[in-house]
Amino acid sequence: DIQMTQSPSTLSASVGGRITITCRASQSISNRLAWYQKKPGQAPKLLIYEASSLESGVPSRFSGSGSGTQFSLTINSLQPDDFATYYCQQYNSRYTFGQGTKLEIK
Amino acid sequence: EVQLIQSGAEVKKPETSVKISCKLSGGTFTAYYIHWVKEAPGKGLEWMGLVDGQDGETVYGPKFRGRVTITVDASTDTASMELNSLRSEDTAVYFCTTGSGDFVSPYRFWGQGTLVTVSS
Repeated sequence: DIQMTQSPSTLSASVGGRITITCRASQSISNRLAWYQKKPGQAPKLLIYEASSLESGVPSRFSGSGSGTQFSLTINSLQPDDFATYYCQQYNSRYTFGQGTKLEIK
Repeated sequence: EVQLIQSGAEVKKPETSVKISCKLSGGTFTAYYIHWVKEAPGKGLEWMGLVDGQDGETVYGPKFRGRVTITVDASTDTASMELNSLRSEDTAVYFCTTGSGDFVSPYRFWGQGTLVTVSS
């Protein structure tokens, strides 16, 4: 099975700042990589699919890049609502999530 | 738009079973694959398996194979997930989810989650 290694596990940033989360696949997954935002008590929300496509309704400050085995999620101009946990997921061969990155307010 | 409505919270004793349902509305049930995802306290998201809404074919994740059964009832647009031989580590919120209707698809639509508590 494909393993997804996400880093960092926690991240502190300020409102208005910029962050990047990385995700590495144990083997090539082409561009079949999604990013989700998860808040306590809520279902995950799809942000990015096919590594770099922005889901409808998601603010443009979210962006994704990468292909093969290396991927990243960048959030520009952090807003208070962005502080949450973020997961990558590969859907090239079955489905695997990364361990998650908790984004905290500095 | 597709909506997924799950059954309510459950409290179960160890070694028993739990069955959670997930009803799809706003779309053609047989066009979708319904997946189940586990979120244990303090843990991440874990894919459990999926079922084809058209023919009931299933694929299970390696960690859950043998202990989970996912079924569909197309007459009621409902998928169900049964987990057997419950243990404390099964205490979690379980989500049903689906994508665009393709077998390979990210998850656009999610149920509200069902909390399962395993306690003696």
